[in-house]
Amino acid sequence: EDKVVQSPLSLVVHEGDTVTLNCSYEVTNFRSLLWYKQEKKAPTFLFMLTSSGIEKKSGRLSSILDKKELFSILNITATQTGDSAIYLCAASSGNTPLVFGKGTRLSVIA
Amino acid sequence: SQTIHQWPATLVQPVGSPLSLECTVEGTSNPNLYWYRQAAGRGLQLLFYSIGIDQISSEVPQNLSASRPQDRQFILSSKKLLLSDSGFYLCAWKVHPSTDTQYFGPGTRLTVL
Repeated sequence: EDKVVQSPLSLVVHEGDTVTLNCSYEVTNFRSLLWYKQEKKAPTFLFMLTSSGIEKKSGRLSSILDKKELFSILNITATQTGDSAIYLCAASSGNTPLVFGKGTRLSVIA
Repeated sequence: SQTIHQWPATLVQPVGSPLSLECTVEGTSNPNLYWYRQAAGRGLQLLFYSIGIDQISSEVPQNLSASRPQDRQFILSSKKLLLSDSGFYLCAWKVHPSTDTQYFGPGTRLTVL
């Protein structure tokens, strides 16, 4: 059965800290790995990764994929209270629905 | 540009009442459409997905049903709501089966009392 596992499930940090969120996957015919941010509403798309070793970056957020070890990480540097959210990771095999992890709840305190 | 709409935004319903949630997508044709539920403090549960009109796949057998009467309209229904149906219902779409990025609608927060 396809599965995506995220760790940690929750995390509390102080503003200015750097955090690393983990996502491992076991998906048949894997094609891409997606990250979403969910605040108190619908998830919003952050990144899609398809190739190993190529970092995707958007401001203070960056992500990388390792297709050999079957995992991805999402880094957030210089965290701010606005980064507090649930971060969801999902794996795609193309024509079938995305397989989501349970998410990492990040709380950034001032 | 493509946009996705869901309504209502919030809903409070008594146990045993019917349910109809609607999702529509604009600016695209023949999208893949999905219904998810997110219970409080829990992950996303895929309920139904559709690759075309009247083509619905059910992921979890329960008292919910889905229909896709038009290309860009996806409806989630129930004849009798249960307390356990409370949650945040999200509609999502992606442009084509060959693409991977999926986008979510604003969601409907349902409370069953």
